[in-house]
Amino acid sequence: EAQVTQNPRYLITVTGKKLTVTCSQNMNHEYMSWYRQDPGLGLRQIYYSMNVEVTDKGDVPEGYKVSRKEKRNFPLILESPSPNQTSLYFCASSPSGGFTGELFFGEGSRLTVL
Amino acid sequence: GQQVMQIPQYQHVQEGEDFTTYCNSSTTLSNIQWYKQRPGGHPVFLIQLVKSGEVKKQKRLTFQFGEAKKNSSLHITATQTTDVGTYFCAAHSNAGGTSYGKLTFGQGTILTVHP
Repeated sequence: EAQVTQNPRYLITVTGKKLTVTCSQNMNHEYMSWYRQDPGLGLRQIYYSMNVEVTDKGDVPEGYKVSRKEKRNFPLILESPSPNQTSLYFCASSPSGGFTGELFFGEGSRLTVL
Repeated sequence: GQQVMQIPQYQHVQEGEDFTTYCNSSTTLSNIQWYKQRPGGHPVFLIQLVKSGEVKKQKRLTFQFGEAKKNSSLHITATQTTDVGTYFCAAHSNAGGTSYGKLTFGQGTILTVHP
């Protein structure tokens, strides 16, 4: 089954404790991206990757890191989480840059930073 | 960066009434996509519009892209309880290069339908 898988789905952590949210897609998509969703603000893009080893900042990259060492994986790293990073996070992939095709979203990861 | 404004933020309708959500940008858009997110779910792609003045229909849903490619709308005729959810527009910058990967979402319209 074609899908985007995120883990963990739920996480409660404390300020400053490094964490990684994994994202994996099995559709051989070139494009992957991360979004955070907050009430009233919609979905805001954190980082995106057009292909392996190619990543770029979205609109809200501060406090986050990403890497794209393999085509299927695009982990989101919070080196030192803070309470303002409490949010619902979505990973998404697309066949080609998201420009000519739809985004396929993962189920979401709800993160709480205390 | 690019901003896409979406209105209204909330819409409550009686089942059978029509519903419309609008997206507006101050800059020309390369394309616009529409997504639906059911409560507790993830966004699901509905459609993409690329051409100026384009109109596409999916059953009771009608999508329009403005002539100037700066605005778009989603209209649902005779809403049903299954239409409940948040509707988002999303647009790519018209700039070239790596900006093609940058996708900006509107704030979303939360639709509730009363039976």
